[in-house]
Amino acid sequence: QKEVEQDPGPLSVPEGAIVSLNCTYSNSAFQYFMWYRQYSRKGPELLMYTYSSGNKEDGRFTAQVDKSSKYISLFIRDSQPSDSATYLCAMFRSNFNKFYFGSGTKLNVKP
Amino acid sequence: DSGVTQTPKHLITATGQRVTLRCSPRSGDLSVYWYQQSLDQGLQFLIQYYNGEERAKGNILERFSAQQFPDLHSELNLSSLELGDSALYFCASSADRGSGDTQYFGPGTRLTVL
Repeated sequence: QKEVEQDPGPLSVPEGAIVSLNCTYSNSAFQYFMWYRQYSRKGPELLMYTYSSGNKEDGRFTAQVDKSSKYISLFIRDSQPSDSATYLCAMFRSNFNKFYFGSGTKLNVKP
Repeated sequence: DSGVTQTPKHLITATGQRVTLRCSPRSGDLSVYWYQQSLDQGLQFLIQYYNGEERAKGNILERFSAQQFPDLHSELNLSSLELGDSALYFCASSADRGSGDTQYFGPGTRLTVL
């Protein structure tokens, strides 16, 4: 079993839709959770960074962490064609100093 | 701009050759990570250096090696190249404070082996 599981998609939505991207993980020791956006053939760009359970909002993006269910989500409101990219979740365990990445979900927002 | 720089942007070479990829971390970051990403594949962690010393190894082939220099820049050496080594190679850096950390990625080096 992989440490972090992420549906590869692709996920195709119309412009203006609310998008929900998800990751599940197996190790309850993860403390820090990140979402990266990666445009084709570019480096991943940090979008959201959260610690422990709860919600964090930044503009059209909301990151949600449910540690009891070992489940994290990224919501994108009013999605735009420019949001079309691959979204990677990542997690960090400070006692092991290791990052774990999901395989990425490809999102396509149609005009 | 993440503050992480990588050179060169593109590299085209032949099978059997050796290449060196270079990475400069963000100012103040002590950790450097190398990743390989093949076409439409996820990020594959290769190796991590912290303040000049190897800290963690991932799926790095024996033909590949890396080092981090006193000025904290890092180099990834790929030798006896094969067609399957064609990929995007990313470097990332982090402050590595031991907690509350995150990685920042460079723009990548696209390696094509012909």
